[in-house]
Amino acid sequence: GQNIDQPTEMTATEGAIVQINCTYQTSGFNGLFWYQQHAGEAPTFLSYNVLDGLEEKGRFSSFLSRSKGYSYLLLKELQMKDSASYLCAVRDSNYQLIWGAGTKLIIKP
Amino acid sequence: SQTIHQWPATLVQPVGSPLSLECTVEGTSNPNLYWYRQAAGRGLQLLFYSVGIGQISSEVPQNLSASRPQDRQFILSSKKLLLSDSGFYLCAWSITGQKGNQPQHFGDGTRLSIL
Repeated sequence: GQNIDQPTEMTATEGAIVQINCTYQTSGFNGLFWYQQHAGEAPTFLSYNVLDGLEEKGRFSSFLSRSKGYSYLLLKELQMKDSASYLCAVRDSNYQLIWGAGTKLIIKP
Repeated sequence: SQTIHQWPATLVQPVGSPLSLECTVEGTSNPNLYWYRQAAGRGLQLLFYSVGIGQISSEVPQNLSASRPQDRQFILSSKKLLLSDSGFYLCAWSITGQKGNQPQHFGDGTRLSIL
């Protein structure tokens, strides 16, 4: 079967750095997406990785290792508004997105 | 620019009643369209997707159905709602083909409560 694993919840301090991990086992791989979802709202697109390595976009970076079936989202200089759930999704061989359950990130002052 | 509209934002329905949720996309042609359901604390479950008018693929057997009567309109329906149909329903669109780095973009969602 297809499976995406993320930690359920993480806590970090304002101004610090946090890394949210995602491991996946899917039938084929055509890219990995990270989304941010604030409570009660729709997910919004953050980043995309299809090749191994790091993609940087402002305070957010995303890393991919296809051989290990592993990705992480790195958030720097954390702000209170970063409190949200972060969803990892993999596009499989049928070009459908397989979604993780999300990691709820709690930022403390 | 492209926008997606989904309504209503919240809905409270009795068990056994019908359902109709509507989603429209503006600013693009022939998008791929999706209906998802998200239970509390869970990931997104794909319910239906469509690559064109009248073309609907169902991912999960259930008492829900979807239709695409126009290029940029996607409707989620049920004839008789069950308690288990409660959840957060999300419509999404993406560029046709799904190749490359094109993400899915979501509407604001409908929170459905069945009593």
